[in-house]
Amino acid sequence: DTAVSQTPKYLVTQMGNDKSIKCEQNLGHDTMYWYKQDSKKFLKIMFSYNNKELIINETVPNRFSPKSPDKAHLNLHINSLELGDSAVYFCASSQTKNTEAFFGQGTRLTVV
Amino acid sequence: AQSVSQHNHHVILSEAASLELGCNYSYGGTVNLFWYVQYPGQHLQLLLKYFSGDPLVKGIKGFEAEFIKSKFSFNLRKPSVQWSDTAEYFCAVTPTSGGSYIPTFGRGTSLIVHP
Repeated sequence: DTAVSQTPKYLVTQMGNDKSIKCEQNLGHDTMYWYKQDSKKFLKIMFSYNNKELIINETVPNRFSPKSPDKAHLNLHINSLELGDSAVYFCASSQTKNTEAFFGQGTRLTVV
Repeated sequence: AQSVSQHNHHVILSEAASLELGCNYSYGGTVNLFWYVQYPGQHLQLLLKYFSGDPLVKGIKGFEAEFIKSKFSFNLRKPSVQWSDTAEYFCAVTPTSGGSYIPTFGRGTSLIVHP
């Protein structure tokens, strides 16, 4: 039973399209995150929600919008995709705001 | 804002060699510290963590790390590496004071272990 699951695992799409990535955790954690990992493996936080409230919103283009319908779900919607958005996006959750994160399997997004 | 520096970007070792990966952070307040591992093609998994107490912490798969507060360091060690330790290793910190909870990751260290 996967603790943090995200879908899809792979996403290939054309520039200008809009796409969503879904994430669900069954750990009962309060905090969820979206990270972007670039081709050099650098991991950067994008957003974090704590009990459905946005608490971290790093310098991310406003084409990226997170949505947390409940504590167990955090989705990422991306408008007008650009080539530079190609990366692996990881969802994660943690019990509280500063404890260890449990990561999903990642979504490899390729914009062509 | 905090930052995390991992000194070794690429490390190549033979099996049974000892490993030490450096990690230093900068932040004016207290932090929780973590080491994560990412095996090829996989997601990040927690190796070990330090919140408080004994500064020498033991993690999974024979890894350990020592928090030296005066040096703002949290170096990862393993006495004898195996081929299966080939992976990317990330040091991370999250503040526990100052109102910011932004987790910050180092740039990662790629470890290759030759059989």
